[in-house]
Amino acid sequence: QVRLVESGGGVVQPGGSLRLSCTASGFSFSSYGMHWVRQTPGKGLEWMTFLRSDSNEQQYADFVKGRFTISRDNSKNTLYLQMNSLSAEDTAVYYCAKNREGPGSYAGPFDIWGQGTMVTVSS
Amino acid sequence: EIVLTQSPATLSLSPGEGATLSCRASQSVGSYLAWYQQKPGQPPRLLIYDASNRATGIPARFSGSRSGTDFTLTISRLEPEDFAVYYCQHRNNWPVTFGQGTRLEIK
Repeated sequence: QVRLVESGGGVVQPGGSLRLSCTASGFSFSSYGMHWVRQTPGKGLEWMTFLRSDSNEQQYADFVKGRFTISRDNSKNTLYLQMNSLSAEDTAVYYCAKNREGPGSYAGPFDIWGQGTMVTVSS
Repeated sequence: EIVLTQSPATLSLSPGEGATLSCRASQSVGSYLAWYQQKPGQPPRLLIYDASNRATGIPARFSGSRSGTDFTLTISRLEPEDFAVYYCQHRNNWPVTFGQGTRLEIK
């Protein structure tokens, strides 16, 4: 069964940091580019960042550049998102998502999504 | 960045009726547009990719089309499980963007 499972969400104070993980199973993780997408009630779905299968290309939305870092460990079938300098505006459900196509630099479509992990930034 | 504008914001229909949802891109995205369905408490589900290709396991009542920068998702006969929020997303270039969504509700 193809599956993505996020973890690492929770409550963090403004200015704090958090690292999210996304563990993949049921497919060849090392063969696909991966993304992080977040969802807030006010702004809907927001694409955040992409990492190519071999980690040789990263893409970021402007609103996370310099604050968030995407990485992966193909030996552990796991994608990461390191989030620093968090603010209330970062409160959201965070999803990892898999590219439908293979290892190239594809900006979607996203055929597999995790269930999401909630991040709340509050003092 | 490319802005995707979805209309209407809310669509009220009855089961058995047909639905037409629109997504307009602020500039060309070629045919690199996808549609997703999202139900409460669930992640989005890929329905259509590259404007008109159904994703694996998606019923034939869902179809997509393109006319220039205007894209349409058509649901031919609504089933009770089709009432949800629908989003479009382009993959023409970076950054990826999503439309704001259309809520399909039961009339």
